[in-house]
Amino acid sequence: QAVVTQEPSLTVSPGGTVTLTCGSSTGAVTTTHYPSWFQQKSGQAPTALLSDTGKRYSWTPARFSGSLLGGKASLTLSGARPEDEADYYCLLSYSDARRVFGGGTRLTVL
Amino acid sequence: EVQLVESGGGLVQPGRSLRLSCAASGFIFDDYAMQWIRQVPGKGLEWVAGISWNSGSIGYGDSLKGRFTVSRDNAKNSVFLQLNSLSPDDTALYYCGTYVGHWGRGVQVTVSS
Repeated sequence: QAVVTQEPSLTVSPGGTVTLTCGSSTGAVTTTHYPSWFQQKSGQAPTALLSDTGKRYSWTPARFSGSLLGGKASLTLSGARPEDEADYYCLLSYSDARRVFGGGTRLTVL
Repeated sequence: EVQLVESGGGLVQPGRSLRLSCAASGFIFDDYAMQWIRQVPGKGLEWVAGISWNSGSIGYGDSLKGRFTVSRDNAKNSVFLQLNSLSPDDTALYYCGTYVGHWGRGVQVTVSS
């Protein structure tokens, strides 16, 4: 049973850059895990941000980017805005058609 | 415009069953795999189940212990989630979505006596 790990909380200054990471208990995260990222603002449904490591949806601001770094998937926010304050979840795919969410990172813009 | 509308939730007693539905529109439904996730109030997201476009590949979250079944009817542009042997731990907001970023608003399931 895979466990997906994320930082519980992070803080970034307005205009600053922050990187959120997503690891797997089964080993290094690779492109075959098709890492995806979700944003959930307080009281709202989750919104998909990135798929397949770093592909943006049409509605995803360009300040969000994704990559693999040091055996983990990462989400980088460059030029943080107050409206980016939210919970961020990564989702990894495993070989038996299962997917597993990470516990989420609460991002504070302060 | 892509729309996903969940229904079938409500208040149910422990041990009973419930069937959630998700009606899709605005895209070619049988071209896409579908999935269900849930969220307990104040907690994180949990992946529940996924089904490929032709139902040939199905997967479930580890914690469900075989109690849930996902299915789809491409003729009706709908995906379903059968919830059996429900417990209070299953109380959550259930969302259906595609694998390409579209999600419904969710439907509440409350399990309580």
